[in-house]
Amino acid sequence: DAGVIQSPRHEVTEMGQEVTLRCKPISGHDYLFWYRQTMMRGLELLIYFNNNVPIDDSGMPEDRFSAKMPNASFSTLKIQPSEPRDSAVYFCASSLRGLWSPLHFGNGTRLTVT
Amino acid sequence: GESVGLHLPTLSVQEGDNSIINCAYSNSASDYFIWYKQESGKGPQFIIDIRSNMDKRQGQRVTVLLNKTVKHLSLQIAATQPGDSAVYFCAEPHGSSNTGKLIFGQGTTLQVKP
Repeated sequence: DAGVIQSPRHEVTEMGQEVTLRCKPISGHDYLFWYRQTMMRGLELLIYFNNNVPIDDSGMPEDRFSAKMPNASFSTLKIQPSEPRDSAVYFCASSLRGLWSPLHFGNGTRLTVT
Repeated sequence: GESVGLHLPTLSVQEGDNSIINCAYSNSASDYFIWYKQESGKGPQFIIDIRSNMDKRQGQRVTVLLNKTVKHLSLQIAATQPGDSAVYFCAEPHGSSNTGKLIFGQGTTLQVKP
């Protein structure tokens, strides 16, 4: 299995631009998570899906952030408009049985907003 | 509020020695704990987990100990190798079986000296 695949690995954009991060979970995993990692705040859960349905989006910082999962093999996290404080590493993870089973993380997208 | 925290931000050990990384948790109702390893430029990787009905669980060169009385768990790495250098996180689900969040500690950096 190729694991969780994220793209792009690096994204540099200017403030105000739209950013779209992409994730392909492990086949057969029913849960998909988006996390953000910064030095100041560590790993923060943004949103997670079960069977393509958003379950908890309380970690999404504000309306500029949105996430979709149109099918079991693809999810996007969009930031519009982006701001410098959004600069972070964004991880996607998937799991077989939700929070009570190991999460498998992708290698992340490092986002820099100038 | 409830949190999962780590005692030390950095641990430096000699190659071949055993390492012990500690983690304190505050939710006495927690019943599942996970340790992750994060190498530079990569996403967190599952190491080992333990449920609250156990005090100890062993993997390959790793052992997790759970002390529910003092709400403490530890990760022991035997014969530490340079490849073990990474940031180690303990994590704990908060919430019900179908909703909730996986809360990560701040992480301990393990440095292995040759």
